[in-house]
Amino acid sequence: DQQVKQNSPSLSVQEGRISILNCDYTNSMFDYFLWYKKYPAEGPTFLISISSIKDKNEDGRFTVFLNKSAKHLSLHIVPSQPGDSAVYFCAAHNAGKSTFGDGTTLTVKP
Amino acid sequence: DAGVIQSPRHEVTEMGQEVTLRCKPISGHDYLFWYRQTMMRGLELLIYFNNNVPIDDSGMPEDRFSAKMPNASFSTLKIQPSEPRDSAVYFCASSPPGLAQDTQYFGPGTRLTVL
Repeated sequence: DQQVKQNSPSLSVQEGRISILNCDYTNSMFDYFLWYKKYPAEGPTFLISISSIKDKNEDGRFTVFLNKSAKHLSLHIVPSQPGDSAVYFCAAHNAGKSTFGDGTTLTVKP
Repeated sequence: DAGVIQSPRHEVTEMGQEVTLRCKPISGHDYLFWYRQTMMRGLELLIYFNNNVPIDDSGMPEDRFSAKMPNASFSTLKIQPSEPRDSAVYFCASSPPGLAQDTQYFGPGTRLTVL
C-alpha cells in the first residue's frame, strides 16, 4: 500500500511558465509535508514544507498548497527556470519518519 | 558544515561478498536515516536511529541487512552476503532535534552494484 503517490512521473514546462507538481496521500495521521529536489548523482535536498494545520506556504518562487479534505498537496514554481529541472519528491511525515513518493521529473525548457 | 558524508560513493562487489556502507551525519543532528533507492521501489526507508538507538527497522528487507550507530557521528549499513538484487543507491540522511526534525539532510549516496 503506497501511502504517498506522485501520479505524474514527468512534467515538461517552458521557461517562465508555472510548474505544478502534485502529490496524494492516504494516511490522515501525517502531520507535516515536505518537498525535496534531487539532481543526478546527488542526494535529495529540502525545498519547502507545510504543516498539516496550514493550507499554504510560500518561499520565493515556490509555493506549497495543502488540501486536507482531498488529501492532496501541490508544489507551484513560478516562474520556472531551466535550473529547476530535477526530480521532485513529495514526502509526508509522522511519528519520526517520512514516507516518500516516487518522484516527478521536471524539465524546464529554455 | 560539510553536510552528511557517505563512503564509498561507488561500490562494485560480487555476489556473496560482505558490503559495508558508512555515514557521518551532520554534527548536532540526533536522527539518522538509511534509505534505498531503486527504479522499482523508489526511495524506501530501511531504518532510522534517534540518539544512536534504532527506532524503526521495519524497512530492513531481511536478515542479511544490519545497521549500527556506535556513536553520534558514525553509522554503518552492512549487507552480508550481498545479492544482485541489492544493487541500488543507498542514502543516509540526518535531521536535527526539536521542531525541525522532519527536515532531513541527505548525503550524496552510495551506488552499490552487486555482480
